[in-house]
Amino acid sequence: DTGVSQNPRHKITKRGQNVTFRCDPISEHNRLYWYRQTLGQGPEFLTYFQNEAQLEKSRLLSDRFSAERPKGSFSTLEIQRTEQGDSAMYLCASSAPTGGRMNTEAFFGQGTRLTVV
Amino acid sequence: AQSVTQLGSHVSVSEGALVLLRCNYSSSVPPYLFWYVQYPNQGLQLLLKYTSAATLVKGINGFEAEFKKSETSFHLTKPSAHMSDAAEYFCAVTPGPYNQGGKLIFGQGTELSVKP
Repeated sequence: DTGVSQNPRHKITKRGQNVTFRCDPISEHNRLYWYRQTLGQGPEFLTYFQNEAQLEKSRLLSDRFSAERPKGSFSTLEIQRTEQGDSAMYLCASSAPTGGRMNTEAFFGQGTRLTVV
Repeated sequence: AQSVTQLGSHVSVSEGALVLLRCNYSSSVPPYLFWYVQYPNQGLQLLLKYTSAATLVKGINGFEAEFKKSETSFHLTKPSAHMSDAAEYFCAVTPGPYNQGGKLIFGQGTELSVKP
């Protein structure tokens, strides 16, 4: 198992352009989460999926943001018409139930750092 | 609603000294609590977690934390700091016991510096 993988690691884009990030969770993890982390702050929850269903979206997730997990495996996060305020580290995490017990740990990827110029 | 407050955005200790990073939480339900470490330009790595079992939790790299319900605290300690401990540390809470982990509320982080 190679852990949670995120691509690209870095993305520089011009304001107004669209960007898409990809997250590959640990295989067989049914839950996948997206967080955003700005400089000097803790990560903030954006949204999560259980299998292919998007179960919750934060109010932080404006209409310009959309996330998908079409087959319940990898996920994409798209930002349309990027703004300078979108510059941040976007983190993906995955988790899964462990046997009959409630899972209590999320495993994080290394993140995608977005810079909007 | 849940929230986390980390007291002190920067903590500096000498190598070999005690590390104490403070975390207080607010939760309307019995919480699960976590400490994560983040190295520059990296993701988060779990140090330890409290999930309503033993109140003194031992984690990786010699860290431990004690859940104190009466003080709503979950402070992180390490008896002897090492240079490699220099990083950003985040305390996080998630409502338990029904949450399957993952949706976390993070504190603002504490940057730990270790002086030779």
